[in-house]
Amino acid sequence: DTAVSQTPKYLVTQMGNDKSIKCEQNLGHDTMYWYKQDSKKFLKIMFSYNNKELIINETVPNRFSPKSPDKAHLNLHINSLELGDSAVYFCASSQAMNGGGYTFGSGTRLTVV
Amino acid sequence: SQQGEEDPQALSIQEGENATMNCSYKTSINNLQWYRQNSGRGLVHLILIRSNEREKHSGRLRVTLDTSKKSSSLLITASRAADTASYFCATGVSSNTGKLIFGQGTTLQVKP
Repeated sequence: DTAVSQTPKYLVTQMGNDKSIKCEQNLGHDTMYWYKQDSKKFLKIMFSYNNKELIINETVPNRFSPKSPDKAHLNLHINSLELGDSAVYFCASSQAMNGGGYTFGSGTRLTVV
Repeated sequence: SQQGEEDPQALSIQEGENATMNCSYKTSINNLQWYRQNSGRGLVHLILIRSNEREKHSGRLRVTLDTSKKSSSLLITASRAADTASYFCATGVSSNTGKLIFGQGTTLQVKP
């Protein structure tokens, strides 16, 4: 049983396309996150949701839109993909927003060509 | 700007030796966490130390926190080849959002 699962694991797509990455957690956690890891391994937070409510929305282009249908799912939709969007995207969850440890998914490697 | 900076960026040691990684940060924190990332995988939570704690142990891991110097260190004792990975510190900066800010990581290679 994977605690935080992301699909797809790899995604290769052309510039201008629209794509989605799905994330599900079976830990019963209330809070979920999306992080972007660049080629230098730098991790930057993009969004967080707590029980379906948007909590954090960093300075991310509005081509990126998160959606949380329920507290176990947080999907990421990206419109009009650009070369600079190529990165590894990680979903994570935590039990609450009080600063506990995260459980990460295994990542989605997005390559825009 | 980044919150955490890690030192060294890369570390190569022999199996059995100890590995020490350092992390410095800029703003006040609620807690500091260390994560491990194996190549091509997600991050795994190792240990959390709260701002009012100075030292914490977990198996072969020892973490210290000096809030006056805004720094932390992770010591891995008796390293093994399986410890080869990237190690990240992450600072919890808000008690009501759960936001973590990650450092750039230290890449550790343990040679058998």
